Amino acid sequence: QKEVEQDPGPLSVPEGAIVSLNCTYSNSAFQYFMWYRQYSRKGPELLMYTYSSGNKEDGRFTAQVDKSSKYISLFIRDSQPSDSATYLCAMRRNTDKLIFGTGTRLQVFP
Amino acid sequence: GAVVSQHPSRVICKSGTSVKIECRSLDFQATTMFWYRQFPKQSLMLMATSNEGSKATYEQGVEKDKFLINHASLTLSTLTVTSAHPEDSSFYICSARDALGETVYEQYFGPGTRLTVT
Repeated sequence: QKEVEQDPGPLSVPEGAIVSLNCTYSNSAFQYFMWYRQYSRKGPELLMYTYSSGNKEDGRFTAQVDKSSKYISLFIRDSQPSDSATYLCAMRRNTDKLIFGTGTRLQVFP
Repeated sequence: GAVVSQHPSRVICKSGTSVKIECRSLDFQATTMFWYRQFPKQSLMLMATSNEGSKATYEQGVEKDKFLINHASLTLSTLTVTSAHPEDSSFYICSARDALGETVYEQYFGPGTRLTVT
């Protein structure tokens, strides 16, 4: 069993839709949770990070962490074609090593 | 935001030759840098963690004699792929952690280097 599970998609939605991206994990020691966006043939870009459980909002993006269920989510409101990319969840314990999900490919069509 | 650069962005080399990839933190000091490899439609796989002034720590299954990592300064780390083979063709991405920032657990990623071995 992988430490972090993420549906690879692809997920195709119309412009303006609310997008929900999710990851589950098995290690209860994870404390830091991140979401990265990666455009094709580019490096990942940090979108959101959360420490422990709770919600965090930044513009059209909301990150949620439910440690009791070992489940994290990223919501994108009013999705735009420019949001089309691969979204990677990542998490870590107090050590340096980030554990990534496989990424979900999102396509927002006009 | 913090910027990490990589050079070159793309390289093609012949089988058996060596290739060096540079990773630089442009506006911050990075005591720790990470090297990842990403195959098409797959996630990032950590290859090694390098700390400035000390030997890199390699992940299980990564040959340290084949992938030489040097982290000689707080702003520069290099990855050398020695005796490259076609199966080494991949997208190599580095990341750096800001040693002095408040959010020290953030990692900033470079744009990646696409290596093709013919």
